[in-house]
Amino acid sequence: DAGVIQSPRHEVTEMGQEVTLRCKPISGHNSLFWYRQTMMRGLELLIYFNNNVPIDDSGMPEDRFSAKMPNASFSTLKIQPSEPRDSAVYFCASSLRIRDRAYQETQYFGPGTRLLVL
Amino acid sequence: GENVEQHPSTLSVQEGDSAVIKCTYSDSASNYFPWYKQELGKRPQLIIDIRSNVGEKKDQRIAVTLNKTAKHFSLHITETQPEDSAVYFCAASRRGLTGGGNKLTFGTGTQLKVEL
Repeated sequence: DAGVIQSPRHEVTEMGQEVTLRCKPISGHNSLFWYRQTMMRGLELLIYFNNNVPIDDSGMPEDRFSAKMPNASFSTLKIQPSEPRDSAVYFCASSLRIRDRAYQETQYFGPGTRLLVL
Repeated sequence: GENVEQHPSTLSVQEGDSAVIKCTYSDSASNYFPWYKQELGKRPQLIIDIRSNVGEKKDQRIAVTLNKTAKHFSLHITETQPEDSAVYFCAASRRGLTGGGNKLTFGTGTQLKVEL
């Protein structure tokens, strides 16, 4: 039973380069979340999707960040151009939303992508 | 929006002692409160959660209490073991009127160290 899959696991790039992070949610899950984790800011939600539709992108730092979810089994987070301050661990998480349920569903995190921008 | 505060930021206990981590939240409509454990270099993993319709939940050595009036909730770990050493995050969320996978707002984390 595969959990959330993220690639690459590690990425080192130079300032100004484009970075694309990938996520495959747990099969059958219909909500997907992108988080960024740093020592200074902790765990921050960047954007989340429900049924492939972006619901809240208020956490996306700036226009250099974009996210897509073309289908239920794949999502990307792109940074263009990258900057040293983007260095962080980026987590993808997924959950199963059940219609009309009163409470939030458990979010399952992927292993993360450790990004270093030089 | 929701704001979650977590204390303490670091906690050191002797093996076998209890550990308590406390969180407060600001949105009275929040109704779901999970706790995640994150070991060094690993992903956050859910260890226990509580919904607003109960005041306490227990799972072996771990328990969580919720006080909706005061808007705070706590994680209790009894008989701590070295493998409990990790960063623990609390979080809060509410189910929106329009549904959807609503967002979790996380606390800043507590580094727990269990010493032999």
